[in-house]
Amino acid sequence: DTGVSQNPRHKITKRGQNVTFRCDPISEHNRLYWYRQTLGQGPEFLTYFQNEAQLEKSRLLSDRFSAERPKGSFSTLEIQRTEQGDSAMYLCASSLAGYEQFFGPGTRLTVL
Amino acid sequence: AQKITQTQPGMFVQEKEAVTLDCTYDTSDQSYGLFWYKQPSSGEMIFLIYQGSYDEQNATEGRYSLNFQKARKSANLVISASQLGDSAMYFCAMREMDSSYKLIFGSGTRLLVRP
Repeated sequence: DTGVSQNPRHKITKRGQNVTFRCDPISEHNRLYWYRQTLGQGPEFLTYFQNEAQLEKSRLLSDRFSAERPKGSFSTLEIQRTEQGDSAMYLCASSLAGYEQFFGPGTRLTVL
Repeated sequence: AQKITQTQPGMFVQEKEAVTLDCTYDTSDQSYGLFWYKQPSSGEMIFLIYQGSYDEQNATEGRYSLNFQKARKSANLVISASQLGDSAMYFCAMREMDSSYKLIFGSGTRLLVRP
């Protein structure tokens, strides 16, 4: 399978715990995007990377969120001290700059 | 700021019939791109069709076509010969034309195809 993959697919955690998600993009894609989708809404942009550089972060990305893309390959999104409002689907997408984005299956986070 | 509006929270269509999903957009940019994605219950966003603002002809991809009316700022998706597998959420999106190319999504339309 050469598409975008995300792990885990589902994560249930207790409020206050830290969680980390991983995204593996399509191998030749230099752009990687993170989006968050809450119930009944469309995805909202969080941040993106070109190669290993994080070039933009949304206002939605509070201090508790951090994303990395070491060596310009896979990316991780960490949420510290999770809150119930963090419950959402976290989607990763990759692309060549200027071309369509291909999405992964998402990680569904539930914070109890 | 760019904005996408999808006014139909839910739609029904009979199998084998055509259906139109509405999308209007707001932007002050002259150059922009419009996308439609399908999201089945599994959660993955599946790219369906793309229309560039300077494209003179409406985009088509198999059973999907995009009815692009630039003056009205609308980009409706037409699905012909609906199939049961078309039941899903459908999102219209606009691509930011700054260097990020990030997508701005509408709130989506849930389509249910009846047998």
